[in-house]
Amino acid sequence: DVKVTQSSRYLVKRTGEKVFLECVQDMDHENMFWYRQDPGLGLRLIYFSYDVKMKEKGDIPEGYSVSREKKERFSLILESASTNQTSMYLCASGGLAGYSSTDTQYFGPGTRLTVL
Amino acid sequence: GQQLNQSPQSMFIQEGEDVSMNCTSSSIFNTWLWYKQDPGEGPVLLIALYKAGELTSNGRLTAQFGITRKDSFLNISASIPSDVGIYFCAGLPLYGNKLVFGAGTILRVKS
Repeated sequence: DVKVTQSSRYLVKRTGEKVFLECVQDMDHENMFWYRQDPGLGLRLIYFSYDVKMKEKGDIPEGYSVSREKKERFSLILESASTNQTSMYLCASGGLAGYSSTDTQYFGPGTRLTVL
Repeated sequence: GQQLNQSPQSMFIQEGEDVSMNCTSSSIFNTWLWYKQDPGEGPVLLIALYKAGELTSNGRLTAQFGITRKDSFLNISASIPSDVGIYFCAGLPLYGNKLVFGAGTILRVKS
């Protein structure tokens, strides 16, 4: 079974704190993604990585950074958490090369982050 | 940017009924994926489609990749209470490496 795991299911942090969200996948996928999901706004891509040490901004990267030192691990960092970053954060991994019958994307269980 | 129009937004059906939902776009897609998300959980992949015209089943679920490559539908037959959740479509655009998501269909089942 494909497994994408996230370090925490629930997290409560204070404004201004530095927050680390960790994601690990066991499928040897090149691509990993961080999304946030908010009611009425759907899934929005924050950052993605297509290889170790490679990253690309998604649609809403402001206030976030990422790190990918190993292929299986992709971290999302909130440098200084703010209340508008309260959200559900979803990590995903997949092989999305295009034109491939193995193209797909799997999600982790999510981290519900509350910033007070 | 590219968008997927998913409909209906929500459905409230009787247990045992069949359900149909679809996603359309003005752009061509190489891959269509259908997910289900339970409250407080991450989306779970239900069906993946890779060829125009492809029809794939997974238990009571059937999904098709439209011939024009611009749409896909998901059918659920004989719905049961545990089918409740949010169903998302996602497409991988031609020449793209990031999925585009539909807004989701909320399914509620009356038993």
